[in-house]
Amino acid sequence: EAQVTQNPRYLITVTGKKLTVTCSQNMNHEYMSWYRQDPGLGLRQIYYSMNVEVTDKGDVPEGYKVSRKEKRNFPLILESPSPNQTSLYFCASSLQDGGEQYFGPGTRLTVT
Amino acid sequence: GENVEQHPSTLSVQEGDSAVIKCTYSDSASNYFPWYKQELGKGPQLIIDIRSNVGEKKDQRIAVTLNKTAKHFSLHITETQPEDSAVYFCAAERGSNYQLIWGAGTKLIIKP
Repeated sequence: EAQVTQNPRYLITVTGKKLTVTCSQNMNHEYMSWYRQDPGLGLRQIYYSMNVEVTDKGDVPEGYKVSRKEKRNFPLILESPSPNQTSLYFCASSLQDGGEQYFGPGTRLTVT
Repeated sequence: GENVEQHPSTLSVQEGDSAVIKCTYSDSASNYFPWYKQELGKGPQLIIDIRSNVGEKKDQRIAVTLNKTAKHFSLHITETQPEDSAVYFCAAERGSNYQLIWGAGTKLIIKP
């Protein structure tokens, strides 16, 4: 089944404790992206990647890191999480930039 | 900066009636306008999209219209059904780097 998977689905952590949210797609898509979703603000892009080893900042990259060492994986790293990073995070992939994006099921992160 | 405004934030309609959600965008270079549906607990899913060389596109009960001069586009759902209840997001492609700018979302409630 073609899909985007994210892990974990739910995470509660404390300020400053490094964490990684994994994202994997099995559709051989070149383009991958991370979004955060907050009430009243819609989806805001954090980082995106056009291909392996090619990443770029989105609209809200501060406090986040990403890497794209393999085509299928695009992990999101929070080196020192803060409470303002409490949010619902989505990973998405598409065959090409500008095409239909396929979203993962989301990761709800709470930072206390 | 570039933005997409989406209205209304909540829309409640009687089952069988029509629903209309409207978006306006600011980037005159935008050429691609997708609509995504997000069901509870899931990631957004593309339901219809339109490119700037087309004024209207239909797919069964859903249609999208685009007015490039006025920089607004709308989603129309006819004969609404309970399964149409969801949050709907519009987006516009950013002309400078082809990334999407998202509206804040509309929660559509279908009353039985």
